[in-house]
Amino acid sequence: NAGVTQTPKFQVLKTGQSMTLQCAQDMNHNSMYWYRQDPGMGLRLIYYSASEGTTDKGEVPNGYNVSRLNKREFSLRLESAAPSQTSVYFCASSEANNQPQHFGDGTRLSIL
Amino acid sequence: LAKTTQPISMDSYEGQEVNITCSHNNIATNDYITWYQQFPSQGPRFIIQGYKTKVTNEVASLFIPADRKSSTLSLPRVSLSDTAVYYCLGGGNKLTFGGGTRVLVKP
Repeated sequence: NAGVTQTPKFQVLKTGQSMTLQCAQDMNHNSMYWYRQDPGMGLRLIYYSASEGTTDKGEVPNGYNVSRLNKREFSLRLESAAPSQTSVYFCASSEANNQPQHFGDGTRLSIL
Repeated sequence: LAKTTQPISMDSYEGQEVNITCSHNNIATNDYITWYQQFPSQGPRFIIQGYKTKVTNEVASLFIPADRKSSTLSLPRVSLSDTAVYYCLGGGNKLTFGGGTRVLVKP
């Protein structure tokens, strides 16, 4: 039972490049989330998906897009990466809203 | 958005009890209160969740007063491995983690 799996674990991009961060969960959870965490800071919600087929904006959605591909997978796309998007990105899932979230190990993204 | 406020940091010693209080402004009627623990270079890990009164599990207790405007996470007899950042969440769709409380356990 892997829980929440994020790929890649590390990535370096140049400004203007695009990239998709992948997330998959094997717990049959309905809700999935994407957060970013800047050094020494708390987590900020980028987007979430309450259930398959739905997505909604969080606190900091600008510069990102998401796709809930199916119940298991929730991807985060940076269309034109900017240095301000250098961060650690965490994906999480839960049975439903208001239920405890299970987090992946994160993707460390640097944009030069 | 549900907003939470918690102390930035606190120090303790091995074997002591650590209590972290969080205020939950604008918590909605159907929101749960959830606490997470995060170690460096790892994702947050769920500790405990409650709606009101007291909840206890194998690692912590959570105290929530009747007005639900605050909550207190209690870690009994901490060890060095409990050094981490602890986050409280007021719940709801649009979750706000805030800065968390950095707990340092000293020998």
